[in-house]
Amino acid sequence: DQQVKQNSPSLSVQEGRISILNCDYTNSMFDYFLWYKKYPAEGPTFLISISSIKDKNEDGRFTVFLNKSAKHLSLHIVPSQPGDSAVYFCAASGVRLIFGTGTRLQVFP
Amino acid sequence: EAGVVQSPRYKIIEKKQPVAFWCNPISGHNTLYWYRQNLGQGPELLIRYENEEAVDDSQLPKDRFSAERLKGVDSTLKIQPAELGDSAVYLCASSLDFIQGGEQYFGPGTRLTVT
Repeated sequence: DQQVKQNSPSLSVQEGRISILNCDYTNSMFDYFLWYKKYPAEGPTFLISISSIKDKNEDGRFTVFLNKSAKHLSLHIVPSQPGDSAVYFCAASGVRLIFGTGTRLQVFP
Repeated sequence: EAGVVQSPRYKIIEKKQPVAFWCNPISGHNTLYWYRQNLGQGPELLIRYENEEAVDDSQLPKDRFSAERLKGVDSTLKIQPAELGDSAVYLCASSLDFIQGGEQYFGPGTRLTVT
């Protein structure tokens, strides 16, 4: 039973354009949602988070939107850069972190 | 500041053999986590330590997996005996304390291949 789902395994975006990564969850009791970024042969690194009582959080080029009624969140990257090419994991926080399966983002010139 | 250190980075063993992974968290971090990441999946928590105490080990397969965090600093995760299905990346993470929604700092992981 997958509580956090990332239905798009991959996404390809041109440099300078917007990247939108999506995530769905099933448990309405999650308190926080986080995005982690992972480069090959490295561990995941924290990117941005949002509390369940908010609907938007912004940090530079990264914005996370939360739609609680739809149990959906998204990460927007504007503008996308080649260095953003990585695997992005959505995670939900309750008593422990529950990760999605990841979306591989490729930003091409 | 040094990040989370894990060793070895890679390990290949035959099934039924034992294997151990070592983790050194960021200095001063009281909370330590072990995760397992299967191919094409996200990390899954195996165990969480608060100092020396294992406070969440409900997802650790206790028949073959064991872990310890002596003196509340370094930690070792052991599998004995290993099975083919244990092939995965084992990630260690740490945080200052456990706060819901708080950032966890991950090490590079140990890639285990069981043949």
